[in-house]
Amino acid sequence: DVKVTQSSRYLVKRTGEKVFLECVQDMDHENMFWYRQDPGLGLRLIYFSYDVKMKEKGDIPEGYSVSREKKERFSLILESASTNQTSMYLCASSPGSGRAFQTQYFGPGTRLLVL
Amino acid sequence: AQSVTQLGSHVSVSEGALVLLRCNYSSSVPPYLFWYVQYPNQGLQLLLKYTTGATLVKGINGFEAEFKKSETSFHLTKPSAHMSDAAEYFCAVSSNSGYALNFGKGTSLLVTP
Repeated sequence: DVKVTQSSRYLVKRTGEKVFLECVQDMDHENMFWYRQDPGLGLRLIYFSYDVKMKEKGDIPEGYSVSREKKERFSLILESASTNQTSMYLCASSPGSGRAFQTQYFGPGTRLLVL
Repeated sequence: AQSVTQLGSHVSVSEGALVLLRCNYSSSVPPYLFWYVQYPNQGLQLLLKYTTGATLVKGINGFEAEFKKSETSFHLTKPSAHMSDAAEYFCAVSSNSGYALNFGKGTSLLVTP
C-alpha cells in the first residue's frame, strides 16, 4: 500500500511566522505535489517536484517555497505566514513513468490556521 | 489549458437512489480524466480514471463513469446510493505540465435515509 504521511494534522501559527509542512512517501515515487484546498475552490496546485532538487511552480506559488533534498520527502515552506494562508494543505505523490495518467496518492492533509 | 467544471456543488439523494455527479472537461489534447473521493477528515482517494481504450470505466465501491468525447463529459454514476457514499467528489484532468492535475471545485454528496 502506498503511504503518504504529513507531519501534522492540525497546526496553529501566528502571522509572520515561518511554517514548515513536511510530507513523506514510502513508494519511491518520482513526483510529489503540494495542493491547498479551500471550500468552493477545490484543490489548487502550489508547487510540484519531478525529481530530487527539481521543482516547478503551480497555479498559486506566491508566498510559498518548497524543498526536496531527498526523494521521499517534500517540504512546503510558508516564509512569513499570513491569515489568507489559513487552509487545508494536501500532499500527493505519483510514479514518474507515463506521468500524466498516473494515479496521485494523497496524504491526510494538514489543516493550518494562521492567527 | 485543461480544465474541468463540476455541475452542482451539492447533490442530495435518497439511500438506494441513483447517484449522478456531473463533470465536463475542456482540453486541447486527448484528456486523462479522474474521479477522486474525499471522506471527512481524510485525503483524496482515487475512484476511477480514464486514460485510453474503453470509454466506460468501472471503479471502486460500485462507481463508474463514461467518457463522452462528443459531449466533453465524464459523469460519475452509481446505481444505488449507500449512506457510506456521503463524501466530497472531485473530477480532475491532466494538466499541460503532464505531471499535475487540474481539479474541479468538488461536489458534496449527501445521502438521506
